[in-house]
Parts: sequence; structure tokens; C-alpha cells
Amino acid sequence: EPEVTQTPSHQVTQMGQEVILRCVPISNHLYFYWYRQILGQKVEFLVSFYNNEISEKSEIFDDQFSVERPDGSNFTLKIRSTKLEDSAMYFCASSERDSSYGYTFGSGTRLTVV
Amino acid sequence: AQSVTQLDSHVSVSEGTPVLLRCNYSSSYSPSLFWYVQHPNKGLQLLLKYTSAATLVKGINGFEAEFKKSETSFHLTKPSAHMSDAAEYFCVVSDPRYSTLTFGKGTMLLVSP
Repeated sequence: EPEVTQTPSHQVTQMGQEVILRCVPISNHLYFYWYRQILGQKVEFLVSFYNNEISEKSEIFDDQFSVERPDGSNFTLKIRSTKLEDSAMYFCASSERDSSYGYTFGSGTRLTVV
Repeated sequence: AQSVTQLDSHVSVSEGTPVLLRCNYSSSYSPSLFWYVQHPNKGLQLLLKYTSAATLVKGINGFEAEFKKSETSFHLTKPSAHMSDAAEYFCVVSDPRYSTLTFGKGTMLLVSP
């Protein structure tokens, strides 16, 4: 069964450093997403991406965040200057059609900012 | 706006007994509804989805859910719990106007021998 692949599974970084979280969506999917889950809290939407541009973003997705699909297969989330409160599990997801059909999620990257 | 309320943060059952995880939703439009499961240190796996077809939806691993519009509910059930069902379960709603999913806070299912 097709999978969404995320790397790395764990990332520890120092506050103020830049991190890039990587995702390989399912190959025939057209919609891509990032969500995050801070420990003990809800899974929260960050950003959606379609047709090579951001289609929606949440209040969390400020200027410190950016997304890119550099080569037609990878989908990356960059955090320019990490803060302690960015520590969370970050999930990438993709879908063939819009959200009403559900997504396939990756297994997540646990980001710890120290 | 759309929202999801999972009424129990933890549910404990014995192996072989029925499971009921409760979910109520709020949405201005006809929503799509999903249940996802997250095992420890794993990703989010889709259990089942309701997309305005049959109101009783069957999913993987023997789970099913019934969409009740009058009660704005989408409770998840399984006739007989298995130890491997121990995980966190998320009820999720999608508004067709947006590309986002709204998650409930999750229910941790504990299964004892």
C-alpha cells in the first residue's frame, strides 16, 4: 500500500537554528499538508499546498515557516529560527483529492528544540 | 466554523468486551467525518470515513461508526476489543469548503487482559 514517508523520525536542534523536515507524498496525490501535535494537545493544521502554491495556512504558520516542493517528489517544511515552543510531532499528509476524502499521513517527525 | 468534541479522554475496556468511543461534531455544511488511530510512536492511520453515503460505515480491524445527523454524532464501536486496539483514536471533521481537517482531542483506549 502506498505510504507517505517522513524523514528524519527524530530531530533535536538548538533554539535559533533552522530545521528542514522532509516528506515524500504518495506519487499520484495532488494535495499536500503539514500538521503538528504538541505533546498532550490536539493535532493542528499548519498549511496546505496545491498546484505548487500554498492554498491555506493557519495562524501558526507565520513568517518563520515555509514549505517547498523542490523537485516534484519531496515536500519540505522549513522552520527558520526554531523556538522552544516549536517542539512537537510534525505530520506530513497527502491526498489525491480534497480533504473530504481524507488524507494519508506519514509517521511523523518528532522535533525537539533545546 | 467546524469543531469536534471527543467526550472521553480515556476509555478502559477488557479484552473481548465492546468498545464505544464517542464523538460529536459541529459543522455548518454537510461534513465528511473520519476516525484515525495512532499507535505509540506511529503515524495517523485512517480507520474509516463517512462521506455522505451509507450512515453506517465499516472500517478496518472490525471497527465501525454510525453517522447520526440528528444527534450530530459519529461514535466509533467495535464488538470485541483486542489487546492490539490499545491506541489513541481521533475523530476528525472536514468541511468541503476548506482543505483542512479539524481534529478532536483524542481518546486513549486502554485494553486490559
